[in-house]
Amino acid sequence: DGGITQSPKYLFRKEGQNVTLSCEQNLNHDAMYWYRQDPGQGLRLIYYSQIVNDFQKGDIAEGYSVSREKKESFPLTVTSAQKNPTAFYLCASSMRHQNQPQHFGDGTRLSIL
Amino acid sequence: GDSVTQMEGPVTLSEEAFLTINCTYTATGYPSLFWYVQYPGEGLQLLLKATKADDKGSNKGFEATYRKETTSFHLEKGSVQVSDSAVYFCALTTNLGSARQLTFGSGTQLTVLP
Repeated sequence: DGGITQSPKYLFRKEGQNVTLSCEQNLNHDAMYWYRQDPGQGLRLIYYSQIVNDFQKGDIAEGYSVSREKKESFPLTVTSAQKNPTAFYLCASSMRHQNQPQHFGDGTRLSIL
Repeated sequence: GDSVTQMEGPVTLSEEAFLTINCTYTATGYPSLFWYVQYPGEGLQLLLKATKADDKGSNKGFEATYRKETTSFHLEKGSVQVSDSAVYFCALTTNLGSARQLTFGSGTQLTVLP
């Protein structure tokens, strides 16, 4: 079945540590996105990518980095510069057209040790 | 900028009750509108969508009509079930140059009691 796979489901970070969240899709979608979800709030866009080797900052990119070396993959690194990283992180993908919906993975929950 | 305002929760209903979750938006141009549902510990699933004024999206007994004159996209269901308990998000697409961003409302928690 086609879909988006995020791993791990739970992740813990120590002080000063960078961690990387994986996102893989086999939907042949061009565009991929990373969102952050905090309790009681909607989703906020961190980074997005429309094509391989290109990505753009979203609304809350500080303290995060991404890469897009393959169409299928869009990993997110939460760096030590992100002082409040505890959140639920969601990856999504879509075709490159306004009317096409975004498809979401099941998320990664990141916590601080 | 573009924004989505959703009815605040939580909403608690008895099984078979009628559901309305209000959603209004502010946007330039002609956005597409979506309702997503999130079950506990999971990602978001597309529930329904509408791409132009007066379109009605429907799925699993849920409906929403794109009302340009009132800038609204209210979600309705005639008879809710316990399995409908989840968080519901209204969203619209906005332009990011050549890209498309989803702008979300803050979500409405729905609990359906047996």
